[in-house]
Amino acid sequence: NAGVTQTPKFQVLKTGQSMTLQCAQDMNHNSMYWYRQDPGMGLRLIYYSASEGTTDKGEVPNGYNVSRLNKREFSLRLESAAPSQTSVYFCASTPGESEAFFGQGTRLTVV
Amino acid sequence: EDQVTQSPEALRLQEGESSSLNCSYTVSGLRGLFWYRQDPGKGPEFLFTLYSAGEEKEKERLKATLTKKESFLHITAPKPEDSATYLCAHTNFGNEKLTFGTGTRLTIIP
Repeated sequence: NAGVTQTPKFQVLKTGQSMTLQCAQDMNHNSMYWYRQDPGMGLRLIYYSASEGTTDKGEVPNGYNVSRLNKREFSLRLESAAPSQTSVYFCASTPGESEAFFGQGTRLTVV
Repeated sequence: EDQVTQSPEALRLQEGESSSLNCSYTVSGLRGLFWYRQDPGKGPEFLFTLYSAGEEKEKERLKATLTKKESFLHITAPKPEDSATYLCAHTNFGNEKLTFGTGTRLTIIP
């Protein structure tokens, strides 16, 4: 089982460039999440999707957009990257009120 | 405002030296309290879910407990391979967003 797959694993962007982080899960889970992790800040929720076709803002949504394309896929888009968005991004999925499964992360550097 | 605070931020123990990590929460309508382990360069890995005060769960050298205000992750006779960052998280009734604390970085010295 692949679980939660994130692409790419590493990315360097110039300020102002755009990109989409991809996430796919093969566990038929309803809920999916995007988090960012910065040193000393823990995991902060960017966006959340309780089911296909629904999305909700988390703690730090500014500068990001998301799309729940179908039940499997949940993408995160940076329209105009800024150095403050340098971080490690994690996607997760959960069937509901139980354990969440995380991807391996995308390490993004904005220069 | 709902808040989860983990302490200490970092903990260094000798191999075999038992200790506890703390997760204090001020959350209205706590639904679930979760513990995760995160190794460097990897995503968090699920350890335990606790739902009600008094509940305890164990896995190898780890035991998680829950009271009305805090959760503890007890580690008994730890080994170097237990070195990792331990994260607690919660969900609320009516809001199933999984919200994390900042974690405790645990180092076990051989």
